[in-house]
Amino acid sequence: AQSVSQHNHHVILSEAASLELGCNYSYGGTVNLFWYVQYPGQHLQLLLKYFSGDPLVKGIKGFEAEFIKSKFSFNLRKPSVQWSDTAEYFCAVTSKGGKFQFGAGTQVVVTP
Amino acid sequence: GAGVSQSPSNKVTEKGKDVELRCDPISGHTALYWYRQSLGQGLEFLIYFQGNSAPDKSGLPSDRFSAERTGGSVSTLTIQRTQQEDSAVYLCASSLGGYNQPQHFGDGTRLSIL
Repeated sequence: AQSVSQHNHHVILSEAASLELGCNYSYGGTVNLFWYVQYPGQHLQLLLKYFSGDPLVKGIKGFEAEFIKSKFSFNLRKPSVQWSDTAEYFCAVTSKGGKFQFGAGTQVVVTP
Repeated sequence: GAGVSQSPSNKVTEKGKDVELRCDPISGHTALYWYRQSLGQGLEFLIYFQGNSAPDKSGLPSDRFSAERTGGSVSTLTIQRTQQEDSAVYLCASSLGGYNQPQHFGDGTRLSIL
């Protein structure tokens, strides 16, 4: 069975700092990978997705993620965060015949 | 208003009562998902519909939970004889179907069992 692991449950950083959130999955076949974000009081929304091709994926709001197949990882990055990036971030993986599997989420707090 | 719509947004009920939660997916989306989000627990998959059929019910936590979808559109999640541990935010999502389609989420129903 596939699973998704997010290593950091809670991250606090200052504005302009760089952000990297780890995501690892366990599944040997072809996967599709997603990062979702949930801003305070809002619904989950898609940040970016990887299906195939260039393993470096760029999403909205300056976020990017890199798929490293050999490490089963899909880490999310942003070079310089803003206070408005305070949110909960979820990694998700799906595969043919498998269900949509979400990680436990990482709460990110950006201080002014 | 083309997003996923869930109702009610909040529901408070007494232990032992039955509750029904509704999800209206984006028009044309054939796949519909229910999740439960508890504090600090991430998203727990409950059930997935493709059209009106539910090929994956594996996430339903007990036989008190059931869901149906009619007309390939609206879905209802029913919880019978609610327990305090059922308190959570219940999220619905829809997609165009297919395992590589991103899901679009509703705002959720916050369920509180007294």
